Amino acid sequence: QVQLQESGPGLVKPSETLSLTCTVSGGTISGLDWSWIRQPPGKGLEWIGYILKSGTTNYNPSLKSRVTISVDTSKNQFSLKLRSVTAADTAMYYCAQSGGFGWFENWGQGTLVTVSS
Amino acid sequence: DIVMTQSPDSLAVSLGERATINCKSSQSVLYNSNNKNFLAWYQHKPGQPPKLLIYWASTRESGVPDRFSGSGSGTDFTLTISSLQAEDVAVYYCQQYYSTLWTFGQGTKVEIK
Repeated sequence: QVQLQESGPGLVKPSETLSLTCTVSGGTISGLDWSWIRQPPGKGLEWIGYILKSGTTNYNPSLKSRVTISVDTSKNQFSLKLRSVTAADTAMYYCAQSGGFGWFENWGQGTLVTVSS
Repeated sequence: DIVMTQSPDSLAVSLGERATINCKSSQSVLYNSNNKNFLAWYQHKPGQPPKLLIYWASTRESGVPDRFSGSGSGTDFTLTISSLQAEDVAVYYCQQYYSTLWTFGQGTKVEIK
């Protein structure tokens, strides 16, 4: 079973870049598809974007101008960068394996990122 | 965007009784070429990541108890827990993957009456 673990700073200042990494074990990162999802406190789930095994990326239009998802095959990791953050970006961030056509079949435990000065 | 609307927002059900959660999409998520509905259901417990229960609207993920079932087609879908157990207390989400912008419902909180 594929296992995922998010890592990165828990506190980011407004206007800076949020950077998170997801380390994958139990599977080869280049052979699978990957997503980032977030959940603001007290709110529902929001899909941020994905990167396919082909390298193709697709982002939520509401975040597209600020988001980059990339893969580092040498480390079996994929990453999220969200630029110019505001308090509205405060959320639990999850990395996930996208199964098949678009569901999320394996999730990391999540990491809470707070945007505050 | 395809907007997913769940109902009710919360429900309380007695142990052993049936729980029914509805999910309505703003447009059809049925892909005619393969006759599949691009819809999944998740269970989310506090302090844990969401867990995939069902995909293709009615296909149960491996290891998911058979008291969980999904049904529906087009724009109207249902997640049914046939006999609620204490460990089923959670928030449940539907999610469509039909469009290039994947979206979730707002969630339905299930509690014990």
